[in-house]
Amino acid sequence: DGGITQSPKYLFRKEGQNVTLSCEQNLNHDAMYWYRQDPGQGLRLIYYSQIVNDFQKGDIAEGYSVSREKKESFPLTVTSAQKNPTAFYLCASSIRRTGDEQFFGPGTRLTVL
Amino acid sequence: EDKVVQSPLSLVVHEGDTVTLNCSYEVTNFRSLLWYKQEKKAPTFLFMLTSSGIEKKSGRLSSILDKKELFSILNITATQTGDSAVYLCAVGRGFNKFYFGSGTKLNVKP
Repeated sequence: DGGITQSPKYLFRKEGQNVTLSCEQNLNHDAMYWYRQDPGQGLRLIYYSQIVNDFQKGDIAEGYSVSREKKESFPLTVTSAQKNPTAFYLCASSIRRTGDEQFFGPGTRLTVL
Repeated sequence: EDKVVQSPLSLVVHEGDTVTLNCSYEVTNFRSLLWYKQEKKAPTFLFMLTSSGIEKKSGRLSSILDKKELFSILNITATQTGDSAVYLCAVGRGFNKFYFGSGTKLNVKP
């Protein structure tokens, strides 16, 4: 089955620790995205990548980092510099480099203790 | 400042009712407007609209865009309990940058 997987589903971390969220897709999509969703708010774009070895900052990139070494994978690292990291994180991919018709993964809920 | 506003924030209806969800936007360099359904976690794609006045339809769901008045509506006819979800509107600015509204939470009661 083609799709997007994110792991883990739930993640707890202590303040001051970096943590990496996994996102893998087998849809052969070029473009991949990371969003953050907070209660009662819309999704906000953190980073996106249109092709391997290239990525761009979204609207709230501070305190986050990404890499795109393989087409299938787009991991997100939440660093200790992110002041309010507790949120629901969604990864998406799109066959179009314009980003239309994005397919989303099931998400990772990160809680900082 | 770019913004996308959805209304109402929440809605409770009974099965068989028809609902209309609204999305208004102020986004520079508009490219497209997308509707998603989010039931528990992953949003699923419903429609993409780029041209004004052309209705997109899929079963009981339909959507239309008005680029002059800067809004879109999503209609659901003969609602079912399975339609209960949060409906998200996203507006594309240029390429790859999408601004999402906070969503409309629809609850369809039997």
